[in-house]
Amino acid sequence: DVKVTQSSRYLVKRTGEKVFLECVQDMDHENMFWYRQDPGLGLRLIYFSYDVKMKEKGDIPEGYSVSREKKERFSLILESASTNQTSMYLCASSLRGLRQYFGPGTRLLVL
Amino acid sequence: AQSVTQLDSQVPVFEEAPVELRCNYSSSVSVYLFWYVQYPNQGLQLLLKYLSGSTLVKGINGFEAEFNKSQTSFHLRKPSVHISDTAEYFCAVSAIRDDKIIFGKGTRLHILP
Repeated sequence: DVKVTQSSRYLVKRTGEKVFLECVQDMDHENMFWYRQDPGLGLRLIYFSYDVKMKEKGDIPEGYSVSREKKERFSLILESASTNQTSMYLCASSLRGLRQYFGPGTRLLVL
Repeated sequence: AQSVTQLDSQVPVFEEAPVELRCNYSSSVSVYLFWYVQYPNQGLQLLLKYLSGSTLVKGINGFEAEFNKSQTSFHLRKPSVHISDTAEYFCAVSAIRDDKIIFGKGTRLHILP
């Protein structure tokens, strides 16, 4: 079974802090994705990656950056956290053109 | 570009009653269609997917969906719901050979005892 793990289930940070959200998948998938989920807005794509060291902006990349140094790991970085980045963050991975597998999510609260 | 509309943000239904969650999509190219479920405090799991072939797709936990190309719909159905079906359901679409998926805004299914 594919496993996608996220480093934290819950995180509380202060405005202006640098925040790292880590995601690891164990199935050698090429593609990895970061979404944020907010009530009434569904899932919105922040960034995705098709390969190591490769990244593409999604629909809402502002205020975020990503890093993919190894195939199995995809990190989301909030350079300077703000209160409007309080959200649920979901990581996913997939083989080319197939279903996405999701991690359990990280609920981030920025005070 | 593709888009997905889930017509109901919340659906209340009595236990053991049938349910239909509605989904319409828009695309100028051929698509794959998905339904994902999110149980409380969990990530998303795939319920079922339509790639090609039979328009009636059966998924896990007794759910099924029907692809209707002329009406650009992919409604999800279950003949008899259980309390354990309480969750948020997301319809999603991707263009064939595109790795990105576009998600709808979700439908919360409330099961009433």
